[in-house]
Amino acid sequence: GQNIDQPTEMTATEGAIVQINCTYQTSGFNGLFWYQQHAGEAPTFLSYNVLDGLEEKGRFSSFLSRSKGYSYLLLKELQMKDSASYLCAVTTDSWGKLQFGAGTQVVVTP
Amino acid sequence: DARVTQTPRHKVTEMGQEVTMRCQPILGHNTVFWYRQTMMQGLELLAYFRNRAPLDDSGMPKDRFSAEMPDATLATLKIQPSEPRDSAVYFCASGSGGNYGYTFGSGTRLTVV
Repeated sequence: GQNIDQPTEMTATEGAIVQINCTYQTSGFNGLFWYQQHAGEAPTFLSYNVLDGLEEKGRFSSFLSRSKGYSYLLLKELQMKDSASYLCAVTTDSWGKLQFGAGTQVVVTP
Repeated sequence: DARVTQTPRHKVTEMGQEVTMRCQPILGHNTVFWYRQTMMQGLELLAYFRNRAPLDDSGMPKDRFSAEMPDATLATLKIQPSEPRDSAVYFCASGSGGNYGYTFGSGTRLTVV
């Protein structure tokens, strides 16, 4: 089977930093994605990692360790609009089969 | 901005009726996914296509669900007969993967009563 695990919920204060961890055990691996989903809306693409290391995109950074089956999404300088669900997704075959974790609800408080 | 278009946005139907959901992927995208999202199960992969060829539909209940891509501009997901447990938001997504990711449509919110 495929296991993609992330914490259910995290709370942080406006201006702070939050790190969302994702661990995966899948039959194959061909890249890891992070998506953001606001309530009642569609997921939107944040980042992609296929090689080990850190990818930085403005206030958001994503890290991957393939040997550990581990990734994290780092959100810096949190804003109220960052309150959303953050979804970790793994491509499990060479054709692009994309499977999602259950998502982490991030609540940003004033 | 290019977008994935899904119709209808909302659908309420009675148990036993046929439901057809449509998706227009972004032109040039070679991979199309169908997902179902519920509070309990999260985003479940139902089926996906690459260059219009179905690659995996193991996530779909085969006896009632079918997914097709009759041409590059249209993907369909059909449920016949529908059941109350099919109530969910159904998303279509398209893309080429990698650093461009996949783009989701706005979803079809299905309620079966």
